[in-house]
Amino acid sequence: DIQMTQSPSSLSASVGDRVTITCRASQSISNYLNWYRQKPGKAPELLIYAASSLQSGVPSRFSGSGSGTDFTLTIRGLQLEDFATYYCQQSYNIPQKFGQGTKVEIK
Amino acid sequence: QVQLVESGGGVVQPGRSLRLSCAASGFTFSNYAMHWVRQAPGKGLEWVAVISYDGRNKYYTDSVKGRFTISRDNSKNTLYLQMITVRAADTAMYYCATSITMLRGVPGDWGQGTLVTVSS
Repeated sequence: DIQMTQSPSSLSASVGDRVTITCRASQSISNYLNWYRQKPGKAPELLIYAASSLQSGVPSRFSGSGSGTDFTLTIRGLQLEDFATYYCQQSYNIPQKFGQGTKVEIK
Repeated sequence: QVQLVESGGGVVQPGRSLRLSCAASGFTFSNYAMHWVRQAPGKGLEWVAVISYDGRNKYYTDSVKGRFTISRDNSKNTLYLQMITVRAADTAMYYCATSITMLRGVPGDWGQGTLVTVSS
């Protein structure tokens, strides 16, 4: 199985900050990397698919980059609704695996 | 507007069975592959299973193989997860999600989940 490792596990930030979360795959997954945001008590929401494609309806402050094994999610201008947990996920093969999550907290 | 509504969760004793359902509306259900993803309380997301648009192909994570069965009824726009011989480790919120393709498909739209608690 391909393992997904996110860093950091948590971070503190302020409204308006730029935040970067990284995700590393244990082997190359090309660009089959997706990012989700999960607000407390809610279902995950797809933000980015195929490493850098913005899901319809997702604000442009979210962006993704990377290929192969190393990927990045960047949030420019953090908003209150962005204080949540973020997960990367590989859809390259079965079983699809998620990273362990990154919790973004208010500083 | 895509809507996915899971149901069937509850408290179940270890070793017993449970069937989850996911009712779909707002899109052409029979055109989409479907996933189950679960989340244990306070933990991260775990992909469980996927089924092709026509129900012919299915894949599972190792920990549920032989115990869980994913299926669908396209005439009823409903996805199922039959769970047998459940264990405490199966305690989780179970989400269904759509994807355009099965292999390399991206779980795009998600339901709100149904909670399964395995406890004696």
